[in-house]
Amino acid sequence: KQEVTQIPAALSVPEGENLVLNCSFTDSAIYNLQWFRQDPGKGLTSLLLIQSSQREQTSGRLNASLDKSSGRSTLYIAASQPGDSATYLCAVRQNQFYFGTGTSLTVIP
Amino acid sequence: DAGVIQSPRHEVTEMGQEVTLRCKPISGHDYLFWYRQTMMRGLELLIYFNNNVPIDDSGMPEDRFSAKMPNASFSTLKIQPSEPRDSAVYFCASSLEVYEQYFGPGTRLTVT
Repeated sequence: KQEVTQIPAALSVPEGENLVLNCSFTDSAIYNLQWFRQDPGKGLTSLLLIQSSQREQTSGRLNASLDKSSGRSTLYIAASQPGDSATYLCAVRQNQFYFGTGTSLTVIP
Repeated sequence: DAGVIQSPRHEVTEMGQEVTLRCKPISGHDYLFWYRQTMMRGLELLIYFNNNVPIDDSGMPEDRFSAKMPNASFSTLKIQPSEPRDSAVYFCASSLEVYEQYFGPGTRLTVT
């Protein structure tokens, strides 16, 4: 069964810092990988989707990469802001989605 | 499109009562997923449908839980009888084929 791991579980950084969130998965036979953001008490908001044939996707200050052969993805956030504080989850798609447990990010003003 | 719609947004009920959660997926999407999220267990997939047919219900906790999708625009998740340990946020999500998954706002269920 697919297992998805996100490290670290929590991260605290000062405003303006660039940061990287990590996601690893055990089975490389995936259709795609999706990064989500979840604010406290809210639903999941899709940030980026990377198809299995792609290496990276960019949206604004966010850049996600995918190395399927090694079972890794990273989410790079440039020039972090307090509004980026949230939990970030990655999910890999086979027939269903398998989610990691998330990284809780706090950006300190 | 209005996105994935869930109702009710909040539900408070007493132990033993029947609870029905509702979901309207994004029009045209052929996959529908039901998840449960708690602090202790994180996000768990309960069941998913493809073209209105249940594909994998191995995540459904027990026989008290049932889900239906009578047509492409509506799905229900029913708990009967409800128990305090069912208290959680229940999310519905949909996707077109194997592309991006979109989540609804969730239903916060409290069973007293």
